[in-house]
Amino acid sequence: DGGITQSPKYLFRKEGQNVTLSCEQNLNHDAMYWYRQDPGQGLRLIYYSQIVNDFQKGDIAEGYSVSREKKESFPLTVTSAQKNPTAFYLCASSMPSGTDTQYFGPGTRLTVL
Amino acid sequence: EDQVTQSPEALRLQEGESSSLNCSYTVSGLRGLFWYRQDPGKGPEFLFTLYSAGEEKEKERLKATLTKKESFLHITAPKPEDSATYLCAVRGGATNKLIFGTGTLLAVQP
Repeated sequence: DGGITQSPKYLFRKEGQNVTLSCEQNLNHDAMYWYRQDPGQGLRLIYYSQIVNDFQKGDIAEGYSVSREKKESFPLTVTSAQKNPTAFYLCASSMPSGTDTQYFGPGTRLTVL
Repeated sequence: EDQVTQSPEALRLQEGESSSLNCSYTVSGLRGLFWYRQDPGKGPEFLFTLYSAGEEKEKERLKATLTKKESFLHITAPKPEDSATYLCAVRGGATNKLIFGTGTLLAVQP
């Protein structure tokens, strides 16, 4: 089955640690995205990539980093510079045209201890 | 500023009681309005895309409609399994990014 997988489902981070969230897709989509979801707020875009080896900052990129070395993979690192990282993180993918639908993975819930 | 507002924030229905959810938007050059369903602790599930005013799409008990300022998600004779948060998003403006509303939490009681 084609789809998007995210791992782990739950992640706990201590203060000062960097953690990496995995996102893999086998939909042959060129574009991939990372969003953050907080209670009472709409999804907010962290980073996006429309092609391998290229990515752009979204609306809330501070404290996060990404890489796009393979078409299928778009890992997100939450660095110690992110002051409030506890949230639900969602990865999505789409074809890169201006009208295509984004499809989402199951999400990773990150909690800072 | 591009913006999406969903109402109501929460809606409680009895099984079989039809209703509508609203998504109002302001965006220059709409290039798509998207409806998603999200269950607790899961990622959003795509439902519909609408591109132009007057367009309608249906799927089982759900029907989405679009005008130049808003979209409605009509739920006909809902069942408890329709309980979820329904998210609306628009794409348009200079950046071509998706802008999400905060969602409507629907609870359907048997």
